[in-house]
Amino acid sequence: EIVLTQSPGTLSLSPGERATLSCRASQSVSSNYLAWYQQKPGQAPRLLIYGASNRATGIPDRFSGSGSGTDFTLTISRLEPEDFAVYFCHQYGSSLPYTFGQGTKLEIK
Amino acid sequence: QVHLVESGGGLVKPGGSLRLSCAASGFTFSDYYMTWIRQAPGKGLEWVSYISGGGYYTEYADSVRGRFTISRDNAKNSLYLQMDSLRAEDTAVYYCARKNAPHKDWGQGTLVTVSS
Repeated sequence: EIVLTQSPGTLSLSPGERATLSCRASQSVSSNYLAWYQQKPGQAPRLLIYGASNRATGIPDRFSGSGSGTDFTLTISRLEPEDFAVYFCHQYGSSLPYTFGQGTKLEIK
Repeated sequence: QVHLVESGGGLVKPGGSLRLSCAASGFTFSDYYMTWIRQAPGKGLEWVSYISGGGYYTEYADSVRGRFTISRDNAKNSLYLQMDSLRAEDTAVYYCARKNAPHKDWGQGTLVTVSS
């Protein structure tokens, strides 16, 4: 099983600042099948990034994904008030089970 | 527009059974794998199971294999999760999602609570 470790656990920033979230895999994620989701309280997750760096439909361009192999990053260039939420990474490569990171909580400083 | 609506959650005693349903609309249901994902209260996400479009191919997480059964009725545009021998650690919000991954489309979730 591929274990995804997200860091930091909590990130405290102010609107307008840049956020950098990390996701490290215990082994290489095949074909860079790595996605990022945003989740707000009481809501289902929302797909932001798939294939490590492709923005999902309707996702603002302030969200970007990068990385390959075992190290992946989600960057939010300038935080908007609505961006404060929990973010999960998700690997869906060739080996089951598909797994999720434990989440990074992005909170307002 | 894709719409997924889960139902069937509730309170059940340890060892009991529950059947979740997911009603789908807005897309050709039989063309897509479908997935169940769960989230324990205040915790992260856990992939549970998926099923192919025709219903012939299924996979399960080790934590539920042998206790849960995924199925679908393409004539009714519905996905199911039969959950038997439930344990306290199965307490979670259960989401259905379109495709095996990644998941752009999710339902709102249904809460399953396993407690005596």
